[in-house]
Amino acid sequence: NAGVTQTPKFRILKIGQSMTLQCTQDMNHNYMYWYRQDPGMGLKLIYYSVGAGITDKGEVPNGYNVSRSTTEDFPLRLELAAPSQTSVYFCASSTPPVSSYGYTFGSGTRLTVV
Amino acid sequence: KQEVTQIPAALSVPEGENLVLNCSFTDSAIYNLQWFRQDPGKGLTSLLLIQSSQREQTSGRLNASLDKSSGRSTLYIAASQPGDSATYLCAVLTGANSKLTFGKGITLSVRP
Repeated sequence: NAGVTQTPKFRILKIGQSMTLQCTQDMNHNYMYWYRQDPGMGLKLIYYSVGAGITDKGEVPNGYNVSRSTTEDFPLRLELAAPSQTSVYFCASSTPPVSSYGYTFGSGTRLTVV
Repeated sequence: KQEVTQIPAALSVPEGENLVLNCSFTDSAIYNLQWFRQDPGKGLTSLLLIQSSQREQTSGRLNASLDKSSGRSTLYIAASQPGDSATYLCAVLTGANSKLTFGKGITLSVRP
């Protein structure tokens, strides 16, 4: 019962570098989400997907890209990393009816950009 | 735009006290409301989910209520223990694509 798996758990990037945060789920959930959490703040939605091949922007999409080629995987790409992207990133998944089942979260990726 | 507010940001209580954590939201057209627990440096653990048609949910020493019309929810923790120390996040589900909007959380410290 793996649920939602995120890798890596920690990463330090230099300004201008790029990286991909991996997220995979084994629950056959259609909906997947990427959130970021800054200290003392709630989680803010970056991107989300309602199925393979379908993605859309959330509240704070600038500086990020996503793709959803399979139901299981929803990677988040950071291009030209900036200090403002230092944060903890959470991936989540859910299945309709979401009103009944809620979200399942991964354990997070802690990213520092220096 | 949905906004979720949790006040106060931090709370410190002695062990054994019954306590209430509050959450308010601006748009009452929600599908559900979830309470999460987050330990320092860790991910989110779902505690309780209340669907829009429900008034409350209970799990052990936790009870969450929902008053959709007034845009409020409370999380009641009975007989608090030091192990309850964590940040408690409230989130509401709204919108056509089922997006969760989070409050900033309440950091609870239970003193032995």
